[in-house]
Amino acid sequence: EVQLVESGGGLVKPGGSLRLSCAASGFTFSSYHMNWVRQAPGKGLEWVSFTSTGSNIKSYADSVKGRFSISRDNAKNSLYLQMKNLRAEDTAVYYCVRETDAAYFDNWGQGTLVTVSS
Amino acid sequence: DIQMTQSPSTLSASVGDRVTITCRASQSISSWLAWYQQKPGKAPKLLIYEASNLDSGVPSRFSGSGSGTEFTLTISSLQPDDFATYYCQQYNSYSRTFGQGTKVEIK
Repeated sequence: EVQLVESGGGLVKPGGSLRLSCAASGFTFSSYHMNWVRQAPGKGLEWVSFTSTGSNIKSYADSVKGRFSISRDNAKNSLYLQMKNLRAEDTAVYYCVRETDAAYFDNWGQGTLVTVSS
Repeated sequence: DIQMTQSPSTLSASVGDRVTITCRASQSISSWLAWYQQKPGKAPKLLIYEASNLDSGVPSRFSGSGSGTEFTLTISSLQPDDFATYYCQQYNSYSRTFGQGTKVEIK
C-alpha cells in the first residue's frame, strides 16, 4: 500500500523558516516524480513545487519561488520542502503528492498544517 | 503560466441529477488534464486523468471529456457520496495548475 506521511508543520513567526518532510513507503520512491501541494484554510488547492526522480529538474510556483526549496533523498525514501522567509499567506495544509509518468497526481499524503502568525 | 478557470464555483443539485462542471485552460494543454474530488478534512482523490480516463475504482457515473482548452466533468446521476468539491488540474511542462474548485451542494 502506498503511504505518504508528512511531518514538520507547526506555528512559525513571519520571516521564519520551517522544513517539511514526507516519508514514502509501499512503492519504489526513486521511480516517481514528487510534488508539494498546499491548501489555505477554506481555500482551493495550490501546486507549490515539483522534483523529478533524480532531482535534476525542479520547478516552483511563482508565489514561493526564491523562498522555498524542494529536495529528496531516494536512499531514505523521503521528500523535503525547505521554507524560508515565511509569510502569513503561506499558512496552509501542505500535501506530499506522488506523480505518475503521465504527470497526474495519483497518491496524496494526509497533509501537515503550517501556520505563519506572530 | 497556464491558468485554469472552473465553472460554476458552486452547484446545487439533487440526488439523481446529471451534473456538468467545466474547466477552461488559458492555452492549449492537449489532453493533459486531471479531475480530483475532495471531501472536507480529507486529501483530494484522483477521479479522471488524461481528460477522459477513469481512475481505478471510480464509479462509471463519472466521465470526462474535452481537449485543447475546454474540458468537462460529468456525473450522470448524482449520488449522496458525490457531494464534495471538484478540482481540475493541468500538467503541461513542469508546472501544474489547479482550477479554483467547484463545490457540489445538496439542493
